[in-house]
Amino acid sequence: GAGVSQTPSNKVTEKGKYVELRCDPISGHTALYWYRQSLGQGPEFLIYFQGTGAADDSGLPNDRFFAVRPEGSVSTLKIQRTERGDSAVYLCASSFNLGGRGGNEQFFGPGTRLTVL
Amino acid sequence: KNEVEQSPQNLTAQEGEFITINCSYSVGISALHWLQQHPGGGIVSLFMLSSGKKKHGRLIATINIQEKHSSLHITASHPRDSAVYICASPNSGGSNYKLTFGKGTLLTVNP
Repeated sequence: GAGVSQTPSNKVTEKGKYVELRCDPISGHTALYWYRQSLGQGPEFLIYFQGTGAADDSGLPNDRFFAVRPEGSVSTLKIQRTERGDSAVYLCASSFNLGGRGGNEQFFGPGTRLTVL
Repeated sequence: KNEVEQSPQNLTAQEGEFITINCSYSVGISALHWLQQHPGGGIVSLFMLSSGKKKHGRLIATINIQEKHSSLHITASHPRDSAVYICASPNSGGSNYKLTFGKGTLLTVNP
């Protein structure tokens, strides 16, 4: 079946602009995660959705960042007043949430490369 | 705070060589993820393991929960194995979904 998809694959914008990044998770996956990966670093957690609600948004760097998942499937990460430091690859992942101490296997999308000029 | 360390940071091998990448973590967890990232950013999940060993083709992953250490091995390495390999561990307790990632190991396999 289809994996996690993200659009656009690349986004170039100017400082101060607003951007939206979209994630389509694997059908039936209740959990959805957003990560940000800066050059030369591992991904960093941003936000986790369980169904429609943001169960943990502790990784969002500031209030310019916001994410929604209104119907419990597709999610949109929104960044207001973009800054050059927001340039990174934004990764989305999804999983079944079966609980358990070890977490669940997360399936990643290809990412959106955001460049803020 | 969970800290995940990988070694080596960079690894160059000749085709056919046996590869080992190591990962250690600071917070006791019961599962660990190994991921592969090719140029361009896409990440593929290779393994999630909680004990012992898992094997998939030429890839083998082992974990020692007591020592907080895992290894990824590649047998008979091939140039198409060239990628960044990342280990990630979930935080303990209620936030076991929140993965902390290592910085990755850049593997280059030359023909």
